[in-house]
Amino acid sequence: DQQVKQNSPSLSVQEGRISILNCDYTNSMFDYFLWYKKYPAEGPTFLISISSIKDKNEDGRFTVFLNKSAKHLSLHIVPSQPGDSAVYFCAASDGDGGSQGNLIFGKGTKLSVKP
Amino acid sequence: DTAVSQTPKYLVTQMGNDKSIKCEQNLGHDTMYWYKQDSKKFLKIMFSYNNKELIINETVPNRFSPKSPDKAHLNLHINSLELGDSAVYFCATNRAGGPSGELFFGEGSRLTVL
Repeated sequence: DQQVKQNSPSLSVQEGRISILNCDYTNSMFDYFLWYKKYPAEGPTFLISISSIKDKNEDGRFTVFLNKSAKHLSLHIVPSQPGDSAVYFCAASDGDGGSQGNLIFGKGTKLSVKP
Repeated sequence: DTAVSQTPKYLVTQMGNDKSIKCEQNLGHDTMYWYKQDSKKFLKIMFSYNNKELIINETVPNRFSPKSPDKAHLNLHINSLELGDSAVYFCATNRAGGPSGELFFGEGSRLTVL
């Protein structure tokens, strides 16, 4: 029973263009969402997050959008750079779980940014 | 200087053996976790420790036992290893009052059970 779904296992984008990674969730109790980035042979690293009281959060080239009614969030990277090539994990929590680090992760989307 | 370090990074062993994976953090964080990434690539929480108290214990077999000798360490002991235990195990930390869900992960320990 996947509560957090990333339906695209991979995405290929040209350098300089926009990368859009999508994530859907099923649990309406989730109220905090995060994106993690993972390079091979490394642990995931926190990238950006959004609370359910917002619909957008921006940090430099990275923007996360949340559509609560659709139970959907997306990560936009613009402009994409070759160094962005990694696996991106979407994660969610129900507030208390998040503060305790009990996150529900998706399976990840592998982003390849081609020069 | 690695913030969250795990040893060993790779471990190959036979079914039935007992093994341990160690985790150390130098961030001074209050809570440490073990996550498991299985063959289907899902990252799932196994345990967390806060001030030497187990505060989350998901439906993990009791063959797995976390042990925290001090605030900077959380080791994972696995008894009677089974084929299905093959996975990458990640240690993680976060600090009290920090952004909700912002975890700092180690590099992972890949366990292969033959």
